[in-house]
Amino acid sequence: QVQLVQSGAEVKKPGSSVKVSCKSSGGTFSSNTVSWVRQAPGQGLEWMGRIIPFLTVTDYAQRFQGRVTITADTSTSTAYMDLSSLAFDDTAVYYCVRDGSVDAFEIWGQGTMVTVSS
Amino acid sequence: QSALAQPPSASGSPGQSVTISCTGTSSDVGEYNFVSWYQQHPGKAPKVLIYEVSKRPSGVPDRFSGSKSGNTASLTVSGLQAEDEAEYYCSSYVGRNKYVFGSGTQVTVL
Repeated sequence: QVQLVQSGAEVKKPGSSVKVSCKSSGGTFSSNTVSWVRQAPGQGLEWMGRIIPFLTVTDYAQRFQGRVTITADTSTSTAYMDLSSLAFDDTAVYYCVRDGSVDAFEIWGQGTMVTVSS
Repeated sequence: QSALAQPPSASGSPGQSVTISCTGTSSDVGEYNFVSWYQQHPGKAPKVLIYEVSKRPSGVPDRFSGSKSGNTASLTVSGLQAEDEAEYYCSSYVGRNKYVFGSGTQVTVL
């Protein structure tokens, strides 16, 4: 059973950066796609970007281009999402999610709450 | 890339059917058969219900079905049950290895 376990909640100041981790266990990692999706309080889902670990190929949503960096460490089966220049409206739950047996956002992490507060 | 358009809410009585629309453009929903649907209960991570427009992952009841016509995809929940009360999101591939989600629909079981 593949599981994604994310790092804990963070509180950050405006203008700073946050790095969230997502460790995969119980299955392959390198050849699957890992995406990051965020959800602001009371709002919908927003796709931020993705990585294919063994290719280290990344793609980002236009609105986050230049501000988000997604990386992966295949030796530890861990993906990372680094978001810089944080603003109050970056307050959200950040999810990592990967495909599995189907070509969709199938396996989700538990989510990481990032709060931007002065 | 703007969010795909979904109605904010939908409702039905137990046993009835409800259909949720997901409207995009000829550059996303209309061009690609990579539309998926997700169910999210409060405080939980989303769960995939439908992928590639109409396919169901193992373990998803056949009460959930998907379809697409032109730039609009649809999710139908038949035989509504109390546990179907949740937020539902569609998603589409939009080309160049990018994706977009819908705005979400809150389904209420009356």
